[in-house]
Amino acid sequence: EIVMTQSPATLSVSPGERATLSCRASQSVSSNLAWYQRKPGQAPRLLIYGASTRATGIPARFSGSGSGTEFTLTISSLQSEDFAIYYCQQYNNWPLTFGGGTKVEIK
Amino acid sequence: QVQLQESGPGLVKSSETLSLTCTVSGYSISSDYYWGWVRQPPGKGLEWIGIIYHSGGTHYSPSLKTGIIISIDTSKNQFSLKLSSVTAADTAIYYCARALGSGTYFFDYWGQGTLVTVSS
Repeated sequence: EIVMTQSPATLSVSPGERATLSCRASQSVSSNLAWYQRKPGQAPRLLIYGASTRATGIPARFSGSGSGTEFTLTISSLQSEDFAIYYCQQYNNWPLTFGGGTKVEIK
Repeated sequence: QVQLQESGPGLVKSSETLSLTCTVSGYSISSDYYWGWVRQPPGKGLEWIGIIYHSGGTHYSPSLKTGIIISIDTSKNQFSLKLSSVTAADTAIYYCARALGSGTYFFDYWGQGTLVTVSS
């Protein structure tokens, strides 16, 4: 099983600032990596797939990069609606696995 | 627009079987795609449970495999999850979701989730 490790666990950021979230895979997942946003009481929302392709309707301030074992989700200028928990997921191998999440909170 | 909605008992007794159904609207599940289940225990992260193809092929989480059955009913545009011999560790919000498949097993549409509590 591929273990996905996200860091940091919590990220404190002021509105308008840049947020950088990391996701590391225990072995290569090529570019088969997705990012999700989850807000309390809501279903997860697909942000990024293929490591760097924004899903339909996702604002350009969200960007993904990386391949192999190291991935990054960047939110260029945090808006109030972006404070949430973010998860990465690999889909290169069975079983599908998620990271433990990064909580982005208001500083 | 594709919509998914989970339904089933919110309370299940320990050692019994958890049964949930996901009803899909806005898309015929017999056409294509994979349909899956993901859960989130309280205070923890997301955990993949399993996935089923529209033709019936399945993949399950190895850590849960012996207790899982995912089935599909194309006539009702629904798919279902059965998890047997549940314990308190199976208390979670359960989500159903759609995956594109063919090597692209990320989830683009999700249900709102349903909380299932396992009681002793």
